[in-house]
Amino acid sequence: GAVVSQHPSWVICKSGTSVKIECRSLDFQATTMFWYRQFPKQSLMLMATSNEGSKATYEQGVEKDKFLINHASLTLSTLTVTSAHPEDSSFYICSARDPGQLGGANVLTFGAGSRLTVL
Amino acid sequence: RKEVEQDPGPFNVPEGATVAFNCTYSNSASQSFFWYRQDCRKEPKLLMSVYSSGNEDGRFTAQLNRASQYISLLIRDSKLSDSATYLCVAPGGSYIPTFGRGTSLIVHP
Repeated sequence: GAVVSQHPSWVICKSGTSVKIECRSLDFQATTMFWYRQFPKQSLMLMATSNEGSKATYEQGVEKDKFLINHASLTLSTLTVTSAHPEDSSFYICSARDPGQLGGANVLTFGAGSRLTVL
Repeated sequence: RKEVEQDPGPFNVPEGATVAFNCTYSNSASQSFFWYRQDCRKEPKLLMSVYSSGNEDGRFTAQLNRASQYISLLIRDSKLSDSATYLCVAPGGSYIPTFGRGTSLIVHP
């Protein structure tokens, strides 16, 4: 089945540093990837929709200059948290649509998530 | 009204029990819906898809009620390993997948 590889799985950094999270579709081409953030005991909140070859679409309230998204190829999207602060500590999960799966383009395959802790 | 709403629970049931969760959605044009299972500190994993009237897979049955705009997930003969959070997903605006906040299930011996 479709696999999305996400890393790092966890990262601890100092306040003010930048952290890059990578998300790769391993056996399919993902023209669209979604980046979610999940705080403890809360649902996944969509941060942005990443489209290959074009600018990402950010959800209301998400700072595009702080959360930089690059989707330069059909198999790779990256999220960079710039100048991270403790309130950015969260579980970041990417997902991609795999039209080849039963259910077509509405089925999401998730990366394993990246747990960010900013000290 | 939120696009996708779920009762957060927790639902605390004994092994062998039957339990059902509902999920309401606001986008009447939605065609496909999904139930995902998420274990603590893990990524969500697809459990079932629901496209028309319903879907059944072993102990799990998902149903769609378009008139009332909700989907349900029924788990029969609950196992300890079923303990998890169950997330409902429906296409929201622009058909972007929108998650409910999840329903927590605890199955005890």
